[in-house]
This record gives sequence, structure tokens and C-alpha cells, in this order.
Amino acid sequence: GAVVSQHPSRVICKSGTSVKIECRSLDFQATTMFWYRQFPKQSLMLMATSNEGSKATYEQGVEKDKFLINHASLTLSTLTVTSAHPEDSSFYICSAFDSQVYEQYFGPGTRLTVT
Amino acid sequence: GDSVTQMEGPVTLSEEAFLTINCTYTATGYPSLFWYVQYPGEGLQLLLKATKADDKGSNKGFEATYRKETTSFHLEKGSVQVSDSAVYFCALDGSSNTGKLIFGQGTTLQVKP
Repeated sequence: GAVVSQHPSRVICKSGTSVKIECRSLDFQATTMFWYRQFPKQSLMLMATSNEGSKATYEQGVEKDKFLINHASLTLSTLTVTSAHPEDSSFYICSAFDSQVYEQYFGPGTRLTVT
Repeated sequence: GDSVTQMEGPVTLSEEAFLTINCTYTATGYPSLFWYVQYPGEGLQLLLKATKADDKGSNKGFEATYRKETTSFHLEKGSVQVSDSAVYFCALDGSSNTGKLIFGQGTTLQVKP
């Protein structure tokens, strides 16, 4: 299957700072990417749908001003956690959706720790 | 809203044992159903999928059948290997195949030699 990379794989930041996570689709052009959040020993929770060239669509309960998503090209989506707080510490996972074969390819995830 | 419920883990089996991981769902429409596997340190990978009732998805010896009457999509494998040790997620796409997935809580499988 297609390869999706995320950078960084893990990041530690201080409370109040912002952190940017990159998600790249290496093998195909993805008009749609998704961002998920995974808490320890829990399921993945869909945060938002990232659409190339348009605004992201956020799921209910996700603060769009806190989690800024930009999908400026067909191979790159970024998630910026603004003014991070310890409760934002989590595992963030992105995926690229290939609608032609109806398959979703996941990145390896980014571990964010806010101190 | 739509939801997915998986059996709680961890599941510990001996090599060559039979595996069943239960998954049931609630959906208002006609969802597509998936099993994903997450090996340690890696991203989720699609294991198998079924897009309509009575479809059977299969891959690498794993099988799951889309049962609309019981709203289930149980994962089975006849003989597990140590290399099958991973976390398994059941998921559904209930929103007209937009790719928006709802996941179960995941089941950790540990296979001992």
C-alpha cells in the first residue's frame, strides 16, 4: 500500500507553545487526509477532515482554533496545536484517503508531550 | 450516532490456536466495515474490509463476514502465529464511503510460542 509519513515522530514542548505536525503522502496525491487522536489504551478519535485547497472540517467537540489544519498541497497536510497544554498530550495520527480504491493509509503517528 | 464495540483484551493465545475477536456495530445506514492491525511502532494497516452485507473479507489467513442480521464483523484466524501479535481495530465508515472512520477500542493480541 501507499506510504504516509509523519514528522516529527515525537515532540516535547512547554505549555503555551505551539507545535506543528506534518503528514506527507509519499506515493499518491491525496485530496483528503484525516487527523486522529489516540489516547493510551483507547481508540482512535477522528478530529478533522483535511481537504486540499479548502478549509478543514472538524468533528463535534474539536476546537478548530486550537487545532489548525492546513492542506496546501496534494501531498502535505499539517496540524498545528496552538497554545498547547498538558491535556493536549496525546498520540496524533494522520491518514491519506485514496477514494479511487476506497482505502486509507495511515502514518506512524506523532507522540506529543506537553510539560 | 454510529459506534463500534470490540471485545476487551488483551487476548493471549498459544501459537497455532484459533482466534476470534468479536466486533459489533451500530449504524443508521449501510456501513462499510474494516479490520485494521497496528504492529508495535508502526502505523495502522488495513487487514481486510467488507462493503456490503454477507461479504467476506480475507487476508493473510484472517477472515471476517459482514453480518447485517447480527450487526457483527468478527475477526477469525484458524492458526495464529507469534508474528500476529499486535493491536487489532474494528472500524466502520457509515457516511457514504467518505473515508471517515469510527473505530472500536482496539484489542491487543499476544501470541506465545
